[in-house]
Amino acid sequence: TQLLEQSPQFLSIQEGENLTVYCNSSSVFSSLQWYRQEPGEGPVLLVTVVTGGEVKKLKRLTFQFGDARKDSSLHITAAQPGDTGLYLCAGASGAGSYQLTFGKGTKLSVIP
Amino acid sequence: DSGVTQTPKHLITATGQRVTLRCSPRSGDLSVYWYQQSLDQGLQFLIQYYNGEERAKGNILERFSAQQFPDLHSELNLSSLELGDSALYFCASSRDSNQPQHFGDGTRLSIL
Repeated sequence: TQLLEQSPQFLSIQEGENLTVYCNSSSVFSSLQWYRQEPGEGPVLLVTVVTGGEVKKLKRLTFQFGDARKDSSLHITAAQPGDTGLYLCAGASGAGSYQLTFGKGTKLSVIP
Repeated sequence: DSGVTQTPKHLITATGQRVTLRCSPRSGDLSVYWYQQSLDQGLQFLIQYYNGEERAKGNILERFSAQQFPDLHSELNLSSLELGDSALYFCASSRDSNQPQHFGDGTRLSIL
């Protein structure tokens, strides 16, 4: 069974601070996706990383896929209250079914 | 708005009952996925359909079943409901099996 461990589970920071969220596994994934979920809504896709070592930037968010495609990180620079939410990583096992294994998420609160 | 529509938004029922959750995928998406999200387990993949055919099965109980119709909408049937089935049920869709998934806003099922 493929498992994705996310850390930290909870994070509460002041507006303007930087933070990093980690997603780790002992399994190799064909790709990894990051989602953000707000209360009462479904997860919204932020980014997909495919190549080992890949780095993608989305405004103040930087996503990195580990060289061995087993882990990933999400770094947020100068966090804003609008960044508050549940951040989920999900690994795709590929092989045509694109079945996703989700981590349990990091709940981020950015305090104004 | 992801383009994925789920109904109903909330459902309250009693143990032993049967319910049907409905999902309309984004226009043009052939693949539909069902997930269960609970506080302790996070998002768990249940089942995937592609163009009307079952493509992959995850942690789906025998009391649960799903189907995808010719118009590509999908239904998840939950029977002999137990208290532990209380959760958020999400549907996601993608163009095909190897494309990122886009989630609906879920159905919150409460078993009393």
